[in-house]
Amino acid sequence: DVKVTQSSRYLVKRTGEKVFLECVQDMDHENMFWYRQDPGLGLRLIYFSYDVKMKEKGDIPEGYSVSREKKERFSLILESASTNQTSMYLCASSLRQSYNEQFFGPGTRLTVL
Amino acid sequence: ILNVEQSPQSLHVQEGDSTNFTCSFPSSNFYALHWYRWETAKSPEALFVMTLNGDEKKKGRISATLNTKEGYSYLYIKGSQPEDSATYLCAFIGAVNYGQNFVFGPGTRLSVLP
Repeated sequence: DVKVTQSSRYLVKRTGEKVFLECVQDMDHENMFWYRQDPGLGLRLIYFSYDVKMKEKGDIPEGYSVSREKKERFSLILESASTNQTSMYLCASSLRQSYNEQFFGPGTRLTVL
Repeated sequence: ILNVEQSPQSLHVQEGDSTNFTCSFPSSNFYALHWYRWETAKSPEALFVMTLNGDEKKKGRISATLNTKEGYSYLYIKGSQPEDSATYLCAFIGAVNYGQNFVFGPGTRLSVLP
């Protein structure tokens, strides 16, 4: 059974804190993605990675960075959390070809106070 | 940024009703379209991957059609059941310059009343 896991379901942080969101997949997928989901806006792509140590900016990368040191792990980093980064964050993975379906993790609901 | 639209935004139907909703996307640079179902407290799950104009896909009571020339896809649910209640997302994948980016629509939230 394919699986994408995220380190936390709920997270509360203070403005200015550094925040790490971890995502792990066990399917040997090449591609991994980070999205945020806000009401009425759908899923918006923050960053994606198509290989170890490779990363590409998505539509809304400002205020975020990512790290992919191992194939199965993709981390999203908020260098200095702000209240407008309060959101639901979803990680996903897929096989290399972009038409392949994505498999999603359960999401992390981050609140920045 | 590409614009992917879905309509209606939300829908309430009675158990047993059939329903459909629309995903509109750019008609140029098409590579693939995905439909996902996202139930509350769960992860989005893929329903269909569609790549060819005229594609029709079916999974049980749910089916989808694709028109890449005019830039739309329909999702149909026949005989809706309460367990079909979810948000249905479409995702447009563009070719060439758009690389591997996915652009999701805002979703259609379906509630099926028993």
